[in-house]
Amino acid sequence: LAKTTQPISMDSYEGQEVNITCSHNNIATNDYITWYQQFPSQGPRFIIQGYKTKVTNEVASLFIPADRKSSTLSLPRVSLSDTAVYYCLVGGEPGGFKTIFGAGTRLFVKA
Amino acid sequence: ETGVTQTPRHLVMGMTNKKSLKCEQHLGHNAMYWYKQSAKKPLELMFVYNFKEQTENNSVPSRFSPECPNSSHLFLHLHTLQPEDSALYLCASSQGTPRGSKNIQYFGAGTRLSVL
Repeated sequence: LAKTTQPISMDSYEGQEVNITCSHNNIATNDYITWYQQFPSQGPRFIIQGYKTKVTNEVASLFIPADRKSSTLSLPRVSLSDTAVYYCLVGGEPGGFKTIFGAGTRLFVKA
Repeated sequence: ETGVTQTPRHLVMGMTNKKSLKCEQHLGHNAMYWYKQSAKKPLELMFVYNFKEQTENNSVPSRFSPECPNSSHLFLHLHTLQPEDSALYLCASSQGTPRGSKNIQYFGAGTRLSVL
């Protein structure tokens, strides 16, 4: 399974765009990149998933360069309620169902 | 509401007790997972079931015993636990396959377990 590296924590202010970058140098050809959000005492919630280039949904954008060795989660105009831990996961064959959550990035949004 | 329901939400048990955690998913998924999350730590994968068959056991102590009677239900039977087993136990499900899977997991709200 490809290991991921993210910043431990980030601070931002309401209304700003936040970009969280994840490094995954050993990503395999079939691996997808998936981001989850977790609030305290709750289960993680799926945010976005991509394979290459750019993916956008109603919550976030995911930017993946051509070499796929990193990815950037972009949260537009964050609010206080976006304060959470954000996890980047890389997986697929041959890891199959085995999932490794790293420490994630603790985002703190201030007023 | 994620479609994955865990009960109970909170549980306090002594070290000699036997209890069970229950997870039910209404998403039609084939894979179900148990995770443990200790305070301020990342999630640790414990078990994975795919079509009722266990595919992963992440070196979990035998005092934790999973059961998957069908693809919609998953149990975690607990006995003679230790205080360090106190944690948030999370269940998840996914519609994934082992090969090249997109494998998006949907999590329940978790069971907060305290072992006294």
